[in-house]
Amino acid sequence: GAGVSQSPRYKVAKRGQDVALRCDPISGHVSLFWYQQALGQGPEFLTYFQNEAQLDKSGLPSDRFFAERPEGSVSTLKIQRTQQEDSAVYLCASRTGPYGSYEQYFGPGTRLTVT
Amino acid sequence: DQQVKQNSPSLSVQEGRISILNCDYTNSMFDYFLWYKKYPAEGPTFLISISSIKDKNEDGRFTVFLNKSAKHLSLHIVPSQPGDSAVYFCASGQGGGADGLTFGKGTHLIIQP
Repeated sequence: GAGVSQSPRYKVAKRGQDVALRCDPISGHVSLFWYQQALGQGPEFLTYFQNEAQLDKSGLPSDRFFAERPEGSVSTLKIQRTQQEDSAVYLCASRTGPYGSYEQYFGPGTRLTVT
Repeated sequence: DQQVKQNSPSLSVQEGRISILNCDYTNSMFDYFLWYKKYPAEGPTFLISISSIKDKNEDGRFTVFLNKSAKHLSLHIVPSQPGDSAVYFCASGQGGGADGLTFGKGTHLIIQP
């Protein structure tokens, strides 16, 4: 079956621009996560959705970062007024639900470069 | 303050031999652990997981061992194959799964022919 997809795969933004990154989770998966991965580091948690509810946004680095999942499927991560330190790979993951099996399934990521 | 540590940035192993990747954690509230494999320009791929109530889980060539008292887990790959060359991440989670995973920095495994 189809896995998690993300678009665009690569995004170059000038400092100060707004960007929107899209995630299509595995069909039927209740839980959706966003992570940020800097070069040479492991992924770091940003935010979590259960269906359309954003239950945890403790990892969002600033109020320039905003995520939504209005219909409980596709999610969008928006970064306003991008800064150079926002350059990273943004990974989306989905999981069947908050209980049961532990594994999260990741998409290929969006590499954001802020110039 | 890193809660999940992978102290070996890289590891080189001969094809056919055993690969052992190590991971240490500090948060005693973690109640499940996972290993992911990552190729360049791809997202992490789930390999194997273990609950904190177990000390071993096996799936084909992959075995994960958990030592709770030492807050240490390891991934064993036997026998190692060229396609195993990748970056391996250890990750931990807690609660009812409504939480994000905490990852280590990864270990780059290189399988030598």
